[in-house]
Amino acid sequence: RKEVEQDPGPFNVPEGATVAFNCTYSNSASQSFFWYRQDCRKEPKLLMSVYSSGNEDGRFTAQLNRASQYISLLIRDSKLSDSATYLCVVNRYSGGGADGLTFGKGTHLIIQP
Amino acid sequence: GAVVSQHPSRVICKSGTSVKIECRSLDFQATTMFWYRQFPKQSLMLMATSNEGSKATYEQGVEKDKFLINHASLTLSTLTVTSAHPEDSSFYICSARTRDASNTGELFFGEGSRLTVL
Repeated sequence: RKEVEQDPGPFNVPEGATVAFNCTYSNSASQSFFWYRQDCRKEPKLLMSVYSSGNEDGRFTAQLNRASQYISLLIRDSKLSDSATYLCVVNRYSGGGADGLTFGKGTHLIIQP
Repeated sequence: GAVVSQHPSRVICKSGTSVKIECRSLDFQATTMFWYRQFPKQSLMLMATSNEGSKATYEQGVEKDKFLINHASLTLSTLTVTSAHPEDSSFYICSARTRDASNTGELFFGEGSRLTVL
């Protein structure tokens, strides 16, 4: 089983729709979790951290299920500018350092007008 | 937010030559920088951790003699791909964290350098 698995997509979604995708991780001792966004041929940028209680940032909601070892990202009222690849990132250490990060391959999202 | 700059953004070289990629933290001091490689449709893979003033720590499977890392100052780390071959063609990205950061929840990534070896 891969350390961090994501459905690569692409997910083709009409503008304004709600879209959700999941990510599973294999290391049950993982400490911290993130969603990054990566535009084509660009560097990844932090979208949001994922907390055990779930957290929301505007149209984005992230959830963590430690028992089932998966993370989810929900995007409401999707915009054309949301088109990107979303990377699930898991860290075996707490905090945001890069030492123990494992990146998923990403889920490609295309928002269609 | 903090800015990390990479140069060059694109480089094309002939097989057998060496290529140097620079990673600079523009507005903060980075005691630790990280070098990643990303092949098409693959995930970012950590190659090495670069600590200012000391030798880099390489991930398993990454040849330290082929990928030379120098972190001579708190704002600059360089990655040199020596005797490059076509299979080294990839997207190389650096990232950095600030000296005092512990649980910032954010890495600062460079813009990436796309290397094509002919």
